[in-house]
Amino acid sequence: DTEVTQTPKHLVMGMTNKKSLKCEQHMGHRAMYWYKQKAKKPPELMFVYSYEKLSINESVPSRFSPECPNSSLLNLHLHALQPEDSALYLCASSQVLGEGYGYTFGSGTRLTVV
Amino acid sequence: DAKTTQPTSMDCAEGRAANLPCNHSTISGNEYVYWYRQIHSQGPQYIIHGLKNNETNEMASLIITEDRKSSTLILPHATLRDTAVYYCIVRVAGGTSYGKLTFGQGTILTVHP
Repeated sequence: DTEVTQTPKHLVMGMTNKKSLKCEQHMGHRAMYWYKQKAKKPPELMFVYSYEKLSINESVPSRFSPECPNSSLLNLHLHALQPEDSALYLCASSQVLGEGYGYTFGSGTRLTVV
Repeated sequence: DAKTTQPTSMDCAEGRAANLPCNHSTISGNEYVYWYRQIHSQGPQYIIHGLKNNETNEMASLIITEDRKSSTLILPHATLRDTAVYYCIVRVAGGTSYGKLTFGQGTILTVHP
């Protein structure tokens, strides 16, 4: 299995809702990442996990809450989002932290906040 | 990490070589050059990386100038499926950017029939 699987592919949520994005990989990678991508812009790093521990938080608002329950799974919990948070959310993994090659990205969750 | 400059867009005819330039004039000795691409509605895909020697794999070739201030990604026989945004990223494997892969604006490559 050489894929990163993200669910759901599309999500529409209200500003008072709580939802979660899920990311799964079975490549034995020990580093996992969340990126946010607005239309016609490059992906922006949000969080980095290494061996299930949060390594980097790029000053992301607390309405985004990441969780890494095990080495294969990464979640992003969403609460009280704003319309400007609408974007494509990408998950990625790499064998270990620090290498720049070999990142495997999922196809993303397209989130719309109404 | 060193800043990179790429053309905003490029065109290429199908079957011809696509040569995508990247300028990284402030690159330091321990920084690698990485290339990723993002096809519409997909996540980015790793293509190739190098330090100072030219590199080739099944997808592309990477040519790095001797002074390492610029590089060129070569897709030898472009197909319509190579239409994508191509990102050139320069970073050091460790240090303060440890764990960060930061994308610039990239080059939109359009391959025409």
